[in-house]
Amino acid sequence: QVQLDQSGGGVVQPGGSLRLSCAASGFPFSTYAMHWVRQAPGKGLEWVAFTSYDGINQYYVDSVKGRFTISRDNLKNTLYLEMDSLRAEDTAIYYCAKGFAEYFQHWGQGTPVTVSS
Amino acid sequence: EIVLTQSPATLSLSPGERATLSCRASQSVSSFLAWYQQKPGQAPRLLIYDASNRAAGIPARFSGSGSGTDFTLTISSLEPEDVGVYYCQQRRNWPPLTFGGGTKVEIK
Repeated sequence: QVQLDQSGGGVVQPGGSLRLSCAASGFPFSTYAMHWVRQAPGKGLEWVAFTSYDGINQYYVDSVKGRFTISRDNLKNTLYLEMDSLRAEDTAIYYCAKGFAEYFQHWGQGTPVTVSS
Repeated sequence: EIVLTQSPATLSLSPGERATLSCRASQSVSSFLAWYQQKPGQAPRLLIYDASNRAAGIPARFSGSGSGTDFTLTISSLEPEDVGVYYCQQRRNWPPLTFGGGTKVEIK
């Protein structure tokens, strides 16, 4: 079955950097678009970033453009989110999600990111 | 950016009752709308896509309807395990992909 195993969250100071990983299994990873979605404490869901199946196309929500980079390694079946210049408002649980016609068909377990001094 | 507004914010019903959740879009999204369920402490789960198609493994008591700007998620007979927050999401016009603010379903 589809599994998305996330790692890499933690506590970081404002202005710092963090890289999230999402290891995929149970489906042909290299043929599916992937997304990152986040959820601030006690808040709703917010789409963050998209990568096409081949890694050629990426899209971002405006609030992270220029600071976050989504990438993938189709040989390692792994999705990444490189987060730089982190701000307090980036504090959230981050989910990776398998794309299905720009819906989110399967989700990782989530990894918490806390930006605090 | 397409804004999705969900109502009510909270729905409190008894087991076996019918739950009706609403999602209204700021402009037409055609039928490109999905519904997700998020149980406490868990990741969201896709319930309905393209307004009315049930995702794999979703019980038949969940159904979706609507098109254009007005959409409804119906739980025909509420079960205790249906408690959680329900979100709608559009893919008609993106980026960004956008979610509604959610409806919390409680059991009386």
